[in-house]
Amino acid sequence: QVLLVESGGGVVQPGRSLRLSCAASGFSFSSYGMHWVRQAPGKGLEWVAVMWSDGTFEYYVDSVTGRFTISRDDSKNTLYLQMHSLRAEDTAVYYCAKGNTGSHYGCIDSWGQGTLVTVSS
Amino acid sequence: QSVLTQPPSVSAAPGQKVTISCSGSNSNTANNYVSWYQQFPGTAPKLLIFDDNKRPSGIPDRFSGSKSGTSATLGITGLQTGDEADYYCGTWDSSLSVWVFGGGTKLTVL
Repeated sequence: QVLLVESGGGVVQPGRSLRLSCAASGFSFSSYGMHWVRQAPGKGLEWVAVMWSDGTFEYYVDSVTGRFTISRDDSKNTLYLQMHSLRAEDTAVYYCAKGNTGSHYGCIDSWGQGTLVTVSS
Repeated sequence: QSVLTQPPSVSAAPGQKVTISCSGSNSNTANNYVSWYQQFPGTAPKLLIFDDNKRPSGIPDRFSGSKSGTSATLGITGLQTGDEADYYCGTWDSSLSVWVFGGGTKLTVL
């Protein structure tokens, strides 16, 4: 059974940094592409980033490019999202999500419960 | 404005059928697999349909997916009050090199 558990969310001031973690279990973590998807309060889903299973490719939505970095530690079965220069519009629930292939193709087949990031002074 | 266009809301009576459309373009829906997700308030999304028309194990056959050209469709038959949720389509956009979701459709079972 796939289990994805996010942590690291909280309240942060604009311009500051935060790192989210996602502990994965129940599947061969190193074999799958992993995503971050966010959802602002009362809004729809917004894809944030993906990293291939072998780490060769990573892609980002334009609004976070240059500020956010996705990474993974296969030895710890953990996905990360390092967020810098946070803005009010980054306020959202951040979901860690598993792809069903090793790349960005296919679908997102499993989701964590999400962690809330609030950017506010 | 989402790259994929969904109706904001749809409604139907219990037992009836409803369809939710997802309109995209050649760079996304037409040439990449479309998946559909169900989300109840305060919970994480759940995969309903992948690869345009396949159901993961455990998803009832009341849920179906189809695609023609740049448009994909989610169908739900035998509507139940428990189907009331938000539904999202998603796919990769090969031109933008990003994953894209539709704006979401709120299903109301009257």
